[in-house]
Amino acid sequence: AQSVTQLDSQVPVFEEAPVELRCNYSSSVSVYLFWYVQYPNQGLQLLLKYLSGSTLVKGINGFEAEFNKSQTSFHLRKPSVHISDTAEYFCAVSEDVTGGFKTIFGAGTRLFVKA
Amino acid sequence: DTGVSQDPRHKITKRGQNVTFRCDPISEHNRLYWYRQTLGQGPEFLTYFQNEAQLEKSRLLSDRFSAERPKGSFSTLEIQRTEQGDSAMYLCASSLGGGGPNEQFFGPGTRLTVL
Repeated sequence: AQSVTQLDSQVPVFEEAPVELRCNYSSSVSVYLFWYVQYPNQGLQLLLKYLSGSTLVKGINGFEAEFNKSQTSFHLRKPSVHISDTAEYFCAVSEDVTGGFKTIFGAGTRLFVKA
Repeated sequence: DTGVSQDPRHKITKRGQNVTFRCDPISEHNRLYWYRQTLGQGPEFLTYFQNEAQLEKSRLLSDRFSAERPKGSFSTLEIQRTEQGDSAMYLCASSLGGGGPNEQFFGPGTRLTVL
């Protein structure tokens, strides 16, 4: 079974600073990786995904992530954060199950952007 | 279509009572997922439907939990003889089928409090 480890439960950062949210996963044959964001009092929404192809994936709101197979990592980065990026970020991995896919989420990283 | 909807948004019940939650997915989505999320944790997979067929069920889902999707459209999640440990946010998500794992669109969740 696959699993996801988000190495930081909270990341405080000043506005306009760069940020990296770390994610490691346990490997299986097929690896499909996702980052979802949950803004306060809102539902989860997809930031970006890696299914195949280029290991550098660009998502919404200026975020990007890099798939590193040898290190089994999928870290999320943004070169300059805004106050509005304050949210909970979840890394997730999908594995094949009968007729489809099952998604396993990490425990989340709370990004807090300070002025 | 306005996205995934869930009803009710909040439910307070006494221990031992039965509760039922409803999820209406995005209309053209044939995959539907239920998750449970507790404070400080990521969504935990409960079960998954492709059309009306329940294809995967978590071992964490005790026999007090049952889910249905009778016509391949809306789904219900029932918890019988609720326990205080069932208190959590119950999330529903839907996605298109076919090919690889597609983006899941999440509803706002139903917050269950068991007294």
